[in-house]
Amino acid sequence: AQSVTQLDSHVSVSEGTPVLLRCNYSSSYSPSLFWYVQHPNKGLQLLLKYTSAATLVKGINGFEAEFKKSETSFHLTKPSAHMSDAAEYFCVVSPFSGGYNKLIFGAGTRLAVHP
Amino acid sequence: NAGVTQTPKFRVLKTGQSMTLLCAQDMNHEYMYWYRQDPGMGLRLIHYSVGEGTTAKGEVPDGYNVSRLKKQNFLLGLESAAPSQTSVYFCASAPQGDTEAFFGQGTRLTVV
Repeated sequence: AQSVTQLDSHVSVSEGTPVLLRCNYSSSYSPSLFWYVQHPNKGLQLLLKYTSAATLVKGINGFEAEFKKSETSFHLTKPSAHMSDAAEYFCVVSPFSGGYNKLIFGAGTRLAVHP
Repeated sequence: NAGVTQTPKFRVLKTGQSMTLLCAQDMNHEYMYWYRQDPGMGLRLIHYSVGEGTTAKGEVPDGYNVSRLKKQNFLLGLESAAPSQTSVYFCASAPQGDTEAFFGQGTRLTVV
């Protein structure tokens, strides 16, 4: 079975400090992994994706994530938070099974950024 | 660049009423999905389609039906709405399996 766990439902940081949003996954196959961001009352936007190339993936707006197979983790980081980063972030696993793309979502982490 | 368009954006239904949510994509994608988003639960897959004329059940299909008569459209129907179906519904499309999905802006549905 495939699943994804976001370890923190809420994260609060000060502007200019680092951001760490944690994600662990389980998958029977080599998965593709994604981070999506959702700003209030908006749709979902892709931040970055891992598809078995480089284990350190760079995304938009200064975010990056590192795929660690031994830890089954795909944590999202940013060196310096900006007020505009306040949003909900979803870690998503898409197990590669040769079939359909089921996109299994984590429960989400709400990021608050304080001045 | 329209991408994925959902209509309507908001709707209030009375218990027992029916309605159809429309999703349209202009990217010639094969895969289309309907999700519902509830607080603290992420997005849960209702139904999906891997091509024109095909549909399949996701994690939470009960109370919903879908149709994919044309490649660009994916309809989600509620035959008899219940308060438990109050949610935000997102449609998404993807070119093929195991690729990035593109999402619509969502439909906020309230069933009273």
